[in-house]
Amino acid sequence: DAGVTQSPTHLIKTRGQQVTLRCSPKSGHDTVSWYQQALGQGPQFIFQYYEEEERQRGNFPDRFSGHQFPNYSSELNVNALLLGDSALYLCASSLITSGRTDEQFFGPGTRLTVL
Amino acid sequence: AQSVTQPDIHITVSEGASLELRCNYSYGATPYLFWYVQSPGQGLQLLLKYFSGDTLVQGIKGFEAEFKRSQSSFNLRKPSVHWSDAAEYFCAVGPYNQGGKLIFGQGTELSVKP
Repeated sequence: DAGVTQSPTHLIKTRGQQVTLRCSPKSGHDTVSWYQQALGQGPQFIFQYYEEEERQRGNFPDRFSGHQFPNYSSELNVNALLLGDSALYLCASSLITSGRTDEQFFGPGTRLTVL
Repeated sequence: AQSVTQPDIHITVSEGASLELRCNYSYGATPYLFWYVQSPGQGLQLLLKYFSGDTLVQGIKGFEAEFKRSQSSFNLRKPSVHWSDAAEYFCAVGPYNQGGKLIFGQGTELSVKP
């Protein structure tokens, strides 16, 4: 079992550019959540995808968007990058059973640096 | 407001000594509580979780946590710390019935002295 995988590992972009991060969930999981972890902070919830739809969203601007594919993998897109978007982006997968989400398994993250 | 507070940003303990990391939460519904550990450059690994039942829960790597509803606390403990326990520890709270938005604390960095 490969667990949650994310790509790329590291990424450097300049202000105003757009970026796409990718996540493959743990085998058997159907839900993907994305979190932003700024340096020295705890992760902050961006959004969650289930059945290819955004199920929940945190307090992030519309520049942050996502997608979930039929194979449950997911992408996080960020447009018009700002310096403040520099962070570790974590993907977490889980399985919704009877409407309840059990524990989330986290990937190693993608380190995004915006110059 | 929903929040998690970890009062200690950085803790240093000697190897073999006991450890307690504090976590206080504010949450409107019945909380589902978690402790995660993060090593440098790594993702988060679940140590333990609590929703109901015995208020003292056992986790991996010899960790345990105690839920105290009256104090809105979920403190993490370990009787004897090993050098490999040095890492960042995060407490988190989430809903049980509505999906997985987790609210994390700021984290506590643990250093272990030889």
